[in-house]
Amino acid sequence: DADVTQTPRNRITKTGKRIMLECSQTKGHDRMYWYRQDPGLGLRLIYYSFDVKDINKGEISDGYSVSRQAQAKFSLSLESAIPNQTALYFCATSEGQGRTDTQYFGPGTRLTVL
Amino acid sequence: AQKVTQAQTEISVVEKEDVTLDCVYETRDTTYYLFWYKQPPSGELVFLIRRNSFDEQNEISGRYSWNFQKSTSSFNFTITASQVVDSAVYFCALTLPRTGANSKLTFGKGITLSVRP
Repeated sequence: DADVTQTPRNRITKTGKRIMLECSQTKGHDRMYWYRQDPGLGLRLIYYSFDVKDINKGEISDGYSVSRQAQAKFSLSLESAIPNQTALYFCATSEGQGRTDTQYFGPGTRLTVL
Repeated sequence: AQKVTQAQTEISVVEKEDVTLDCVYETRDTTYYLFWYKQPPSGELVFLIRRNSFDEQNEISGRYSWNFQKSTSSFNFTITASQVVDSAVYFCALTLPRTGANSKLTFGKGITLSVRP
């Protein structure tokens, strides 16, 4: 089984709808992240969480919110989706211990907002 | 603020050719970590390598090798004898030691490598 899973893998929704993307991990990592990928722009950080009680905005958090329900679960919500939120969304985790802080990514969720 | 530049956007080679993907980074910190990730057509992001700023040893893993040069702020990736399966988008990224907000990854925009049979 994959260490980092994302659901759904693909989603098409309409403008104004609320949508939630979910991320689960079995790696036992403390840190979790949400990124979005747009063609030609690379990956940009939306939110990150160092533990269940610590949530921080990234560089493009407007229009998004997150919830860290447990160490293993980190959800990203779009309260009112708009077309320019169409993108590939990645969840990532990292150990956060010692000097080893490599981020491992989930398979991605392709979101289309019509 | 940190910055990662991948000036090459698309590279196309014929199978068995060697290819080098360039990565130039900017940071004022003396301690940092550099990464390469591979994104095949299936879309997932696969971790390839992490290099610490205090370790300038080059690394080789099979057909892959990485050349880290602090003097030129570069962390280049070479694929020897490329194969069709190497076709992917390759991202270079940088992060600072895990202190507060600095632990986020800063990505370059990626290089699309196409290997033709």
